[in-house]
Amino acid sequence: TQLLEQSPQFLSIQEGENLTVYCNSSSVFSSLQWYRQEPGEGPVLLVTVVTGGEVKKLKRLTFQFGDARKDSSLHITAAQPGDTGLYLCAGATSGTYKYIFGTGTRLKVLA
Amino acid sequence: EAGVAQSPRYKIIEKRQSVAFWCNPISGHATLYWYQQILGQGPKLLIQFQNNGVVDDSQLPKDRFSAERLKGVDSTLKIQPAKLEDSAVYLCASSHGLAGEWSYNEQFFGPGTRLTVL
Repeated sequence: TQLLEQSPQFLSIQEGENLTVYCNSSSVFSSLQWYRQEPGEGPVLLVTVVTGGEVKKLKRLTFQFGDARKDSSLHITAAQPGDTGLYLCAGATSGTYKYIFGTGTRLKVLA
Repeated sequence: EAGVAQSPRYKIIEKRQSVAFWCNPISGHATLYWYQQILGQGPKLLIQFQNNGVVDDSQLPKDRFSAERLKGVDSTLKIQPAKLEDSAVYLCASSHGLAGEWSYNEQFFGPGTRLTVL
């Protein structure tokens, strides 16, 4: 069974601080996605990474896919209250487009 | 472009009752997913359709859950009879579903249906 473990599970920080969220698995994925979900809404895609070692930046968010395509990280610089939400990683294996979601990291940024 | 629509947004039922959820995906999207998200957890895939055919339903509790996607567009998910542990948010997502291009297989989620079983 493929599992994606995220850490930390909960994170509460002050505005302006930096943070990193991790997504780890023993399985190899062909692509990995990061989503943010706000209360009462469905997840919204932030980024898709497909190449081992790939780094993508989205404003203050930096995403990295591990060389072996088993892990990924999300780094937020100078966090803002608008970054508050549930961050989910999801991995897919080649050819199936079946996504396995991680356990989630709930982030709260205090003003 | 209109997003994924789901209804109802909220539903409260007694255990052993039946319930149905409806999803209208983004126009032209071939792939449709139903997920179950229990509070505090990530979504768990229940069933995946490609057009009107089932691609994966390995985690669908088939003794009580059923889903269909007639004509390859709208989809319904039914639970009969419901149990207390079915309390969750049921999310529908769709994607283009074109082979070989990951950008075309990004999932777009609806707002979900929050089910409470008493």
